[in-house]
Amino acid sequence: ETGVTQSPTHLIKTRGQQVTLRCSSQSGHNTVSWYQQALGQGPQFIFQYYREEENGRGNFPPRFSGLQFPNYSSELNVNALELDDSALYLCASSLVSNSYEQYFGPGTRLTVT
Amino acid sequence: RKEVEQDPGPFNVPEGATVAFNCTYSNSASQSFFWYRQDCRKEPKLLMSVYSSGNEDGRFTAQLNRASQYISLLIRDSKLSDSATYLCVVGHSGNTPLVFGKGTRLSVIA
Repeated sequence: ETGVTQSPTHLIKTRGQQVTLRCSSQSGHNTVSWYQQALGQGPQFIFQYYREEENGRGNFPPRFSGLQFPNYSSELNVNALELDDSALYLCASSLVSNSYEQYFGPGTRLTVT
Repeated sequence: RKEVEQDPGPFNVPEGATVAFNCTYSNSASQSFFWYRQDCRKEPKLLMSVYSSGNEDGRFTAQLNRASQYISLLIRDSKLSDSATYLCVVGHSGNTPLVFGKGTRLSVIA
């Protein structure tokens, strides 16, 4: 196992609600990246946090936001949920911000109805 | 056009078969290349990095052709446990993320 944990494992929300997903990075890793994986697709980069600052963002609207805490754990917040937000949300931690070695957590499966 | 394109699959092969996956990438500035494996409803896991000189890990061989912007993965003597989705992944320089292909599903049948 990678040592990256995510919670919750599954979540069901209704359209228009807000959701917060959590990730604890592997010990010693200061960078967390979040990905969205829709059914049948590869993971798509949402954003990355390095030392509590956003450090890169993919093509996702502002209603996707995040935080990183001093212990390097991270949250992904999604406001005004849409049906298309239903996906597996993966976080990955890495030792430094420009490292290609990313260790993925088990993901949170979000269903929006 | 997607930045990373893979064979659409699925591939259904008998045990013991050799199977090859192909992948192309569009960004010539890409610097690092990987194959990840993802089991059903699980997270992606790094299978192997891909180097210009080619690299082998047991039954798995990865090749990179920078001129053609092409990456391949060859699996020899397929096992039932090889059944998974194989993701082609490209990394750029700096703080940019990994870019994943859509994945190719492999089913190895007894």
